[in-house]
Amino acid sequence: DTAVSQTPKYLVTQMGNDKSIKCEQNLGHDTMYWYKQDSKKFLKIMFSYNNKELIINETVPNRFSPKSPDKAHLNLHINSLELGDSAVYFCASSQDADYQETQYFGPGTRLLVL
Amino acid sequence: AQSVSQHNHHVILSEAASLELGCNYSYGGTVNLFWYVQYPGQHLQLLLKYFSGDPLVKGIKGFEAEFIKSKFSFNLRKPSVQWSDTAEYFCAGGPPGNTGKLIFGQGTTLQVKP
Repeated sequence: DTAVSQTPKYLVTQMGNDKSIKCEQNLGHDTMYWYKQDSKKFLKIMFSYNNKELIINETVPNRFSPKSPDKAHLNLHINSLELGDSAVYFCASSQDADYQETQYFGPGTRLLVL
Repeated sequence: AQSVSQHNHHVILSEAASLELGCNYSYGGTVNLFWYVQYPGQHLQLLLKYFSGDPLVKGIKGFEAEFIKSKFSFNLRKPSVQWSDTAEYFCAGGPPGNTGKLIFGQGTTLQVKP
């Protein structure tokens, strides 16, 4: 019974394409996140939504647009993909946006842009 | 700037050896600290966390970490590692506030030889 799931697990695409990654959590959490893990394994926060409202928006190109249709889903759409977007993208959720809350992570989506 | 750093990038140990992974943070004031682990093929999951109180925190699978405020450190320890501890270990810090934002260290790859 997966708590935080992401689709797809792997995504290989050409430069310039538009792609989406979906994330769903069945934990009843209010807050969801997107992280990017680069080739050096650094995990960096990109976005955070609390009850469908954006609360963290780090310095991320406008080509990245998160969408939260409801509090159980947070999708990531990427326009005009570039080589530098190749990374592993992790979705996470927590009970709320309190910084003491444990975050639960999805399995990651490995994106390769050719 | 707030940061979390892990100095050991790749550690190789034999079974039954003792483990200590370093983590340093740079925050002023209140900070929450976490260790997450990612076993091969699995999700990132919480190992242990520190908010306040006893600076020695015990987590799952025999791991513990000690918060030393004067050294800005939160090192992870285990007295005797097992082959199943082979994984990626990430230290993370949560700055004060209600955004849930976590800042991760670069991660340490632990390889335990049977």
